[in-house]
Amino acid sequence: DGGITQSPKYLFRKEGQNVTLSCEQNLNHDAMYWYRQDPGQGLRLIYYSQIVNDFQKGDIAEGYSVSREKKESFPLTVTSAQKNPTAFYLCASSVGAGPNDEQFFGPGTRLTVL
Amino acid sequence: GNSVTQMEGPVTLSEEAFLTINCTYTATGYPSLFWYVQYPGEGLQLLLKATKADDKGSNKGFEATYRKETTSFHLEKGSVQVSDSAVYFCALYSSASKIIFGSGTRLSIRP
Repeated sequence: DGGITQSPKYLFRKEGQNVTLSCEQNLNHDAMYWYRQDPGQGLRLIYYSQIVNDFQKGDIAEGYSVSREKKESFPLTVTSAQKNPTAFYLCASSVGAGPNDEQFFGPGTRLTVL
Repeated sequence: GNSVTQMEGPVTLSEEAFLTINCTYTATGYPSLFWYVQYPGEGLQLLLKATKADDKGSNKGFEATYRKETTSFHLEKGSVQVSDSAVYFCALYSSASKIIFGSGTRLSIRP
């Protein structure tokens, strides 16, 4: 089955530790995205990548980093510089980056920093 | 800048009731508009979309019409089911891969 996988589903970390969230897709999509979702709020774009080896900052990139070394993979690192990292993180992908390119979402990772 | 405003929830209805979730937008030009649905513990799924003014998107009994005069894209369903309980997000395509999402409306349907 084609789709997007995110792991783990739940993640707990101590304050001050970096943590990396996994996102893999086998849809052969060029574009991939990371969003953050907080209770009662919509999704906010952290980073996006339109093609391998290239990525751009979204609206709330501070304290986060990404890489796009393979088409299928777009891992997100939440660094200790992120002031409030506890949130639900969603990865998405799309064929391209145009207005008619549907974004497909993974099931999400809930990160809790203790 | 571009933005989306949708009605606050939670919205609680009885099964077979009529549903409307209001959504208005602010944007330059005429961006594509979307409704996404998020079931408990899952990621988002595209429910329907409209790419130009007066277009009607529809899926699974849900409908929304792109109204440029009122800058609105309200979600409607004639008869809701318990399985429709979820969080619904209105969104618009801004530019350069960016989709701007509303804050979401939680819908609960009583049997």
